[in-house]
Amino acid sequence: KAGVTQTPRYLIKTRGQQVTLSCSPISGHRSVSWYQQTPGQGLQFLFEYFSETQRNKGNFPGRFSGRQFSNSRSEMNVSTLELGDSALYLCASSGPAGANTGELFFGEGSRLTVL
Amino acid sequence: GQQVMQIPQYQHVQEGEDFTTYCNSSTTLSNIQWYKQRPGGHPVFLIQLVKSGEVKKQKRLTFQFGEAKKNSSLHITATQTTDVGTYFCAGPPNTNAGKSTFGDGTTLTVKP
Repeated sequence: KAGVTQTPRYLIKTRGQQVTLSCSPISGHRSVSWYQQTPGQGLQFLFEYFSETQRNKGNFPGRFSGRQFSNSRSEMNVSTLELGDSALYLCASSGPAGANTGELFFGEGSRLTVL
Repeated sequence: GQQVMQIPQYQHVQEGEDFTTYCNSSTTLSNIQWYKQRPGGHPVFLIQLVKSGEVKKQKRLTFQFGEAKKNSSLHITATQTTDVGTYFCAGPPNTNAGKSTFGDGTTLTVKP
């Protein structure tokens, strides 16, 4: 079956702009989690959505937001971009039991560069 | 909040040498997962350990979960160049169905 699909794969933005990233989970997976990966900070949890509801949230400012649609596809948005937002944004889906009881299937990521 | 620490941060080995990475959590974990991320790639699930003191093997990889369910280790016997990458541990706290916290990873390089 198809894996987790993230779009776009690469994008360049300037400070102050906003960006929307998309994630399509594996068919049948209802949990979608988002992570920010930077060389100095490792994998930082952003938020998790399950059945269109945000179930958990990491310690990121309100500029970072997300949502999940009825088909389990998820989007995350970052407004008023800062240089420090440059990172690889990874989406992960997990099976019916949710993100904490089974493996996470990661997408290839969206690499955001903020100039 | 929950913290998960991994050591070492980097490990350089000669091909054929063994490698071990350690994962320590500030809180008891309900389970622990290990992932491998190849350079330029995305994390890929390796294994999940659930029981206290559990040991699992995958070919040359041995995973252990501590008795107190607060630490774990991954040991690779006779490393190969294909083992290159960053190894992450991750686990949710035992207290609630909270999100999994990832360690910072151990980056392994293997010299042929």
